[in-house]
Amino acid sequence: DVKVTQSSRYLVKRTGEKVFLECVQDMDHENMFWYRQDPGLGLRLIYFSYDVKMKEKGDIPEGYSVSREKKERFSLILESASTNQTSMYLCASSSPRRVGLETQYFGPGTRLLVL
Amino acid sequence: GENVEQHPSTLSVQEGDSAVIKCTYSDSASNYFPWYKQELGKRPQLIIDIRSNVGEKKDQRIAVTLNKTAKHFSLHITETQPEDSAVYFCAASIRGGSARQLTFGSGTQLTVLP
Repeated sequence: DVKVTQSSRYLVKRTGEKVFLECVQDMDHENMFWYRQDPGLGLRLIYFSYDVKMKEKGDIPEGYSVSREKKERFSLILESASTNQTSMYLCASSSPRRVGLETQYFGPGTRLLVL
Repeated sequence: GENVEQHPSTLSVQEGDSAVIKCTYSDSASNYFPWYKQELGKRPQLIIDIRSNVGEKKDQRIAVTLNKTAKHFSLHITETQPEDSAVYFCAASIRGGSARQLTFGSGTQLTVLP
């Protein structure tokens, strides 16, 4: 069973704080993704990584950065948190190695409140 | 980039009835269409997917149909049960580049009334 874990289920931060969200997967997946989920907007891709130290912007990268120093760990960083970054953040992983089986497996999510 | 529209945003059905959720996509190069189910307070989980070389796929009570010409795909749930109540997301994806990215629809809250 694929296991994707996130460091916190709930987080409360103040405007201007630097925020780190961590994601760990145990299936040796090459690809990892960060999404934010907002009511009525579905899941929107922030950043993804296809290998260690490699990253690409998704649809809404502004205000975020990422880090992938190890294959199993992908961090999302809010350099200076703002109230409009209050959201549910979901991490996911997948592997392209098995042709036709690129299912994305999601973590439990981190609900972030920025005051 | 790809744009996925999903309808309806909410759907209520009586237990035992069928439910249909529809999605349209914009990029004709999209070739993979998964559906995810998210129960309240839980993570999204893949329930079924279809590739562009197939028109229909079925797994017990759920089925997905794809019309490439119309750029339209649908999720069908038959004999609905209370445990089918959840938010359902469709997605579309193009294989290529560094990794397969998914573009999600806005979600459908399905409520199955006992």
